Amino acid sequence: IAGITQAPTSQILAAGRRMTLRCTQDMRHNAMYWYRQDLGLGLRLIHYSNTAGTTGKGEVPDGYSVSRANTDDFPLTLASAVPSQTSVYFCASSETGPTGELFFGEGSRLTVL
Amino acid sequence: SQQGEEDPQALSIQEGENATMNCSYKTSINNLQWYRQNSGRGLVHLILIRSNEREKHSGRLRVTLDTSKKSSSLLITASRAADTASYFCATDPDSNYQLIWGAGTKLIIKP
Repeated sequence: IAGITQAPTSQILAAGRRMTLRCTQDMRHNAMYWYRQDLGLGLRLIHYSNTAGTTGKGEVPDGYSVSRANTDDFPLTLASAVPSQTSVYFCASSETGPTGELFFGEGSRLTVL
Repeated sequence: SQQGEEDPQALSIQEGENATMNCSYKTSINNLQWYRQNSGRGLVHLILIRSNEREKHSGRLRVTLDTSKKSSSLLITASRAADTASYFCATDPDSNYQLIWGAGTKLIIKP
């Protein structure tokens, strides 16, 4: 069982470019999340989806958008990347809902120049 | 804003010793979770303790929760080199159904 698969693993991007980070899960979890992790700040929630067809804003949603067309996929899009979006991005899922045990992907390291 | 704050920020001990990390939070919670993150990897769930529980064990891990002091501790007994990682606490505040994360404790186990 793969769990959560994120792609790409790492990407360097010019400012102003559009970028989509992909996330796929094979556990049939209803809830999925996107976090960013910055040194000294822990994890911050960007967007979440409690079930297919619904999404919600987290703590730091500006500059990001998500979609949840089906249970398995939850892509994160940066419409016009800025250097402050340089970070490590983690996708996660949960079977029991927003505050149950989370299963994480291996992360996508994004550098915006 | 961060709900959980881990203490210490970094901890270096000899293999075989016990490691204790603490987490403090600000508001009432439904539960508190601990996660481990190896360098360059994703987070892995270790243990969840509910607000009506005071202590929980899982293998070499022991978690305590003191809701009156708004704090939790994670004890790793008989540490091993493979325990080298960052450890994060995450809380589920009553008024906010999203997890709130601390900045983590970086644990180094010296051989």
